[in-house]
Amino acid sequence: SYELTQPPAVSVSPGQTASITCSGDKLGDKFTSWYQQRTGQAPVLVMYEDKKRPSGIPERFSASTSGNTATLTISGTQAVDEADYYCQVWDSSNLYVFGTGTRVTVL
Amino acid sequence: QVHLVQSGAEVRKPGASVKLSCRASGFSFSVYAIHWVRQAPGQSLEWMGWISGDNGNTHYSQKFQDRVTISSDTSATMAYMEVTSLTPEDTAVYFCARDLRVASIWSNFDSWGQGSLVTVSS
Repeated sequence: SYELTQPPAVSVSPGQTASITCSGDKLGDKFTSWYQQRTGQAPVLVMYEDKKRPSGIPERFSASTSGNTATLTISGTQAVDEADYYCQVWDSSNLYVFGTGTRVTVL
Repeated sequence: QVHLVQSGAEVRKPGASVKLSCRASGFSFSVYAIHWVRQAPGQSLEWMGWISGDNGNTHYSQKFQDRVTISSDTSATMAYMEVTSLTPEDTAVYFCARDLRVASIWSNFDSWGQGSLVTVSS
């Protein structure tokens, strides 16, 4: 079955840049979406189709994909960005797959 | 304004069934698909299945296809998911989410319900 692997945790200081990776076989052949989930809340779509940002999502969020790795970048990280982040793809064999998740802590 | 409002928390005994609901408003129900995704305590998100708001077609994760039935009432803009033969491992928060381009590389979950906690315990 298809798997997406993320680092369990990323720590960042306020105002600095946080980078979250998502690795999967031939990930570059798919479109990756990213979701933010604050504690006790529902997920929120923050990036889609690799690098598009939904309306209402701050410009400090960006994303890219190269080869087998997708990366979500938060520039000028703020305390409100502290959350779990999940990558997700649609795979024609395994349908919808989510990554293992990354906890971003703003120290 | 887009809203997906889910039914409340449920407690069931092992072997029982549960039916959850998701009421959609603020958008054209027939244009979207509705997915169900669950999250066990401390775990990642797990996709379960979807239903087309247009024609009621469904598609399930192989893991759940024997125990899950997703249905809808387009006149009421409601989606439902029934899970049977519950075990303690089904204890999770269950989310509904909408998708404009279901079953395609452009597919994503652009709006989510608040979640429904299902607790399975004897």
